[in-house]
Amino acid sequence: EADIYQTPRYLVIGTGKKITLECSQTMGHDKMYWYQQDPGMELHLIHYSYGVNSTEKGDLSSESTVSRIRTEHFPLTLESARPSHTSQYLCASSDRTGYADTQYFGPGTRLTVL
Amino acid sequence: QQQVKQSPQSLIVQKGGISIINCAYENTAFDYFPWYQQFPGKGPALLIAIRPDVSEKKEGRFTISFNKSAKQFSLHIMDSQPGDSATYFCAVDFGNEKLTFGTGTRLTIIP
Repeated sequence: EADIYQTPRYLVIGTGKKITLECSQTMGHDKMYWYQQDPGMELHLIHYSYGVNSTEKGDLSSESTVSRIRTEHFPLTLESARPSHTSQYLCASSDRTGYADTQYFGPGTRLTVL
Repeated sequence: QQQVKQSPQSLIVQKGGISIINCAYENTAFDYFPWYQQFPGKGPALLIAIRPDVSEKKEGRFTISFNKSAKQFSLHIMDSQPGDSATYFCAVDFGNEKLTFGTGTRLTIIP
């Protein structure tokens, strides 16, 4: 099993609160990703990073921000949570095993904004 | 935007039967096509992947078939078991160092 951790696993919070979802990996991977997963399953890439001090927006527009100050740590922050942010957030990291990248996912954070 | 179309959205198969999930992509792909499996409460995990220098790859009960000219690939699960009940995602590497995932298939194996 991959060594990638997300905390908290579940979070219920009121509108307007600032939240940070934590993601850490102990595999030394340079690439890390944040996905938002709909209740209907689809995975949407919202942020990614190729290494320290590198962050890019993904395919799905998101009001969240990310930072990458350390290789192993890739937190996601919402400055002011809204009910529309209610979703599952998955963090992943990847390495290049031979031919192509393999992504390793954390268990996810299920966020509910009231 | 590069797209990966996955079907069906949900699938119910009797125990012992064959489960088939299909994916199609547009544009040029980098030539790496993985499938991920996700159980409830867990993140997706790599199940099996194929490079297009072969048209088929088999690992145990799981087989990927690949048709490069049609830009289609599929996952076959032989002798499907209740433990295979999960959500399956195909993915395509379009060469931009990211994976583009399909929309997912929720597979249920009934006794």
